[in-house]
Amino acid sequence: QSALTQPASVSGSPGQSITISCTGTSSDVGSFDFVSWYHQYPGKAPKLLIYDVSYRPSGVSLRFSGSKSGNTASLTISGLQAEDEGDYYCLSYTISSTWIFGGGTQLTV
Amino acid sequence: QVHLVESGGGGVQPGESLRLSCAASGFTFNNNVMHWVRQPPGKGLEWLALISSRGSTTYFADSVKGRFTISRDNSKSIVYLQMSSLRPEDTAVYFCVRVPVDLGSQTFFDSWGQGALVTVSS
Repeated sequence: QSALTQPASVSGSPGQSITISCTGTSSDVGSFDFVSWYHQYPGKAPKLLIYDVSYRPSGVSLRFSGSKSGNTASLTISGLQAEDEGDYYCLSYTISSTWIFGGGTQLTV
Repeated sequence: QVHLVESGGGGVQPGESLRLSCAASGFTFNNNVMHWVRQPPGKGLEWLALISSRGSTTYFADSVKGRFTISRDNSKSIVYLQMSSLRPEDTAVYFCVRVPVDLGSQTFFDSWGQGALVTVSS
């Protein structure tokens, strides 16, 4: 199964907002509200940002928000900060009881 | 504080086997589903396998089904990934990850190890 589709890169200026999309199919993103988002610095382990489409774990900034429409989930980062740079990945549960990641998006601030 | 530490990585030749271990601490290990995820150098994340809290249920990605097995020893708080018939394309950093028991749908990962590098090359 191919990875969920994310833009390879996005960029924004400090203070701006950006949105990263994550497009799947009716077998994964479209079937469940089980999309999560992760942020990874180079050489480090990923960190959970959003779970179940739009929920933030404790400790994650309110600047991060998630949504979903049909087969596409989205992560929005408002008030961009330099520390937001890095790679972002979406993850979805599938109807086959497996999981699938997005290809990853590199954010430059 | 949750702590996941992978070990057992290294260099192997194609066709060989390797077993990764992930030692968990800071939480009641036998309550949590655990997964393995990998990341080839410079590339994205790939989900590999899941094991239920008691070890009775496992699922695998098609790319490793039949070659990799996942198991756990709840008495030692360790989850294993046994890898056989390794191929150059299995070269990656391998992460063990935890599913939280008290949050949401339990289809996501709230804690990650630091990763173990596996290199498959002749």
